Amino acid sequence: GEDVEQSLFLSVREGDSSVINCTYTDSSSTYLYWYKQEPGAGLQLLTYIFSNMDMKQDQRLTVLLNKKDKHLSLRIADTQTGDSAIYFCAERLNTGGFKTIFGAGTRLFVKA
Amino acid sequence: NAGVTQTPKFQVLKTGQSMTLQCAQDMNHEYMSWYRQDPGMGLRLIHYSVGAGITDQGEVPNGYNVSRSTTEDFPLRLLSAAPSQTSVYFCASSFDRGREKLFFGSGTQLSVL
Repeated sequence: GEDVEQSLFLSVREGDSSVINCTYTDSSSTYLYWYKQEPGAGLQLLTYIFSNMDMKQDQRLTVLLNKKDKHLSLRIADTQTGDSAIYFCAERLNTGGFKTIFGAGTRLFVKA
Repeated sequence: NAGVTQTPKFQVLKTGQSMTLQCAQDMNHEYMSWYRQDPGMGLRLIHYSVGAGITDQGEVPNGYNVSRSTTEDFPLRLLSAAPSQTSVYFCASSFDRGREKLFFGSGTQLSVL
């Protein structure tokens, strides 16, 4: 079945790196995404990686994909208080209507 | 462009009442979907549509109906609201179903008493 799992909370100090981890079960996924949700708002795409890539870097963000272990991670360098939010891992399936399946979200707390 | 617009932002219903959550997008997106967000459970797909006149069920379709008479609009109907439907509802769209990222509305917070 389709399932995306991620830890619910992460707390870091301002200036440190944050690493949010995610595991998924469906090997047919084509794209894997990280979405960010700020309080009272909808989700916004932060970054994504195609399933045939291992790594993608975008300014302070680094996405690592281990397709063998079905493990995805998001690293935020030099974490700022403005990075406090809920981060959702998601996979876009290649079958069944191309649905996007979301994890439960990791709430990132950044301490000043 | 307005993007994805959801109305209302907040709604309180009594058990057994019906209502329609509205969703409209002005980006000519073919793919539209409804999710509900519950604490600790992430987003769960309710219904989705890959184009006008075509809808299909997601993970948690029971108690909800949808229709897609135009490309722009994708309303979600609760025929007889239950307390278990208390949640935050998000509408999302994308240009095509295969690759594009989802654009989300700002959500509707629904409470069923």
